[in-house]
Amino acid sequence: DIQMTQSPLSLSASVGDRISITCRASQDIKSHLSWYQQKGREAPKFVIYAASVLQSGVPSRFSGSGSGTDYILTISNVQREDFATYYCQQGYSAPFTFGPGTKVDLK
Amino acid sequence: QVQLQQWGAGLLKPSQTLSLTCAVYGGSFNGFYWSWIRQSPGKGLEWIGEINYDGLTGYNPSLKRRVTISVDTSKNQFSLRLTSVTAADTAVYFCARGRGYGDYWGQGTLVTVSS
Repeated sequence: DIQMTQSPLSLSASVGDRISITCRASQDIKSHLSWYQQKGREAPKFVIYAASVLQSGVPSRFSGSGSGTDYILTISNVQREDFATYYCQQGYSAPFTFGPGTKVDLK
Repeated sequence: QVQLQQWGAGLLKPSQTLSLTCAVYGGSFNGFYWSWIRQSPGKGLEWIGEINYDGLTGYNPSLKRRVTISVDTSKNQFSLRLTSVTAADTAVYFCARGRGYGDYWGQGTLVTVSS
């Protein structure tokens, strides 16, 4: 199985900050990487796919980058509604594993 | 507008079989893979398996012995069966659209396994 790690596992931010979350795969996943936002026990919301493509309807302050084993989710100008937990998932090889999540809360 | 609505029993005793169904409304049912994912405090998000319109399945090796995913194309539904459940199977179970990603998700079903 491909192991996914994320860092940091938690971070505190203020409204208007720019934040970045890193996701690392245990092997090259060739940009088959998605990011999700989850609030409480709601279903995860699809934010970015193919490492850098913004899902329709997602604000442009979200962006993704990376290749190979290392990927980054960036939120510029963080808004109150962005405080949530973010997960990455690799879609390169089954089983399609998730990262442990990064909780973003208000400083 | 694609919507996934799921249902099934929320309280099971050890050794029983978990059974959940997910109905897809809107959009196309064929041409996509349909997945089950679960989330527990101890293990985070875990991909359980998938099925496509033709019934081709893929399962997480960690659960493969106990999992069956099936599809009913006449109703645009797919289902999950997990046999011989234990407390370790207690989780919120989600259905989702996509292979290796999930762009639409069901609302989630909390399944608790307790004697």
